[in-house]
Amino acid sequence: DARVTQTPRDKVTEMGQEVTMRCQPILGHNTVFWYRQTMMQGLELLAYFRNRAPLDDSGMPKDRFSAEMPDATLATLKIQPSEPRDSAVYFCASGSGTGLGYEQYFGPGTRLTVT
Amino acid sequence: AQSVAQPEDQVNVAEGNPLTVKCTYSVSGNPYLFWYVQYPNRGLQFLLKYITGDNLVKGSYGFEAEFNKSQTSFHLKKPSALVSDSALYFCAVRENTGGFKTIFGAGTRLFVKA
Repeated sequence: DARVTQTPRDKVTEMGQEVTMRCQPILGHNTVFWYRQTMMQGLELLAYFRNRAPLDDSGMPKDRFSAEMPDATLATLKIQPSEPRDSAVYFCASGSGTGLGYEQYFGPGTRLTVT
Repeated sequence: AQSVAQPEDQVNVAEGNPLTVKCTYSVSGNPYLFWYVQYPNRGLQFLLKYITGDNLVKGSYGFEAEFNKSQTSFHLKKPSALVSDSALYFCAVRENTGGFKTIFGAGTRLFVKA
């Protein structure tokens, strides 16, 4: 049963520290998304990639967030420096298809707490 | 720009009764519409989608959704609710104007009482 995996599942860090979250999309999926979920803002799209190329990262605070896909099996989201307002659950999702009708498969999320 | 609205923060229904979770959308072109469910401490799971064709779409766990173009709605339905259906439900829309961005609604929490 193919799944999206994310590490770490939980992360507690102090303000100012660098945080790196990793995602392994489902093998063969060519589109990868990063979302952030909070009670106040709901589910926000941060960035997404197609065939490893970044298509849109307008949802990310550019000064502190960065997203990359070093290869087809790994997507990373980095926050440097982290701030308490970054506390949220971060989800990675992947999808497959040449058109627009594909569904997304979500990972279990990384719960980030910045103190 | 596309948008999606879920007008109800919470829906309460008794087990065995039919349930409806509402969703309306706004897109420039033809919409691609999705429903996802999220259980506590889990990622979202795909339930069903509308791409084209029959306005009534059937999905996982007995759920179905009806696409209504004139009302720009895509309501999620189930004939008989189960306690285990209690979860957070998200409607999402993607428009066929060349982008791959998917916009999610704020979510509707469904409580099914035994």
